[in-house]
Amino acid sequence: GAGVSQSPRYKVAKRGQDVALRCDPISGHVSLFWYQQALGQGPEFLTYFQNEAQLDKSGLPSDRFFAERPEGSVSTLKIQRTQQEDSAVYLCASSFSNSPLHFGNGTRLTVT
Amino acid sequence: DAKTTQPPSMDCAEGRAANLPCNHSTISGNEYVYWYRQIHSQGPQYIIHGLKNNETNEMASLIITEDRKSSTLILPHATLRDTAVYYCIVRASNTGKLIFGQGTTLQVKP
Repeated sequence: GAGVSQSPRYKVAKRGQDVALRCDPISGHVSLFWYQQALGQGPEFLTYFQNEAQLDKSGLPSDRFFAERPEGSVSTLKIQRTQQEDSAVYLCASSFSNSPLHFGNGTRLTVT
Repeated sequence: DAKTTQPPSMDCAEGRAANLPCNHSTISGNEYVYWYRQIHSQGPQYIIHGLKNNETNEMASLIITEDRKSSTLILPHATLRDTAVYYCIVRASNTGKLIFGQGTTLQVKP
């Protein structure tokens, strides 16, 4: 079956622009996670949804970052007024309950 | 979540077993040991996980010490395609998120 799908695969934004990154989880997976991975580092947790409820947003680095999952399926990570330090790969993962997380291949964001 | 310690890098000859160690001395009773790997330009890939018993699947074996303070991931016959960063993660059973460290970069050489 299809895995976790993320779009776009690459995004270039000018500093100050807003961006929206999309994640299509595996069908039926109730849990959805967003991670940020800087070059040469391990992924860092951003936020977690169970169905449409955002249960943990402790990793969001600033109030410029916002995530939603209104119908408990597709999720969008929005970054407002992008800064150069936001350049990273943004990974989405989904799972069924506490089963292993399945990751997408990420969106590489470059802020110029 | 308990922290893990892994060597930053390891080499392995193609066709030989790769043994990747991980220390997790502060692990608590309800925490699982998970292993993921990440090949360049891809998302992390699940390999295996366990609580206290040794586990084996089609990808690897996981050996957990009796005191659960350390574990070893074994790739029995490493191939060039196993070159990747391997992450050992301790995950509480009642939370979903994984906390990644720096991992071990495994280089499989011909």
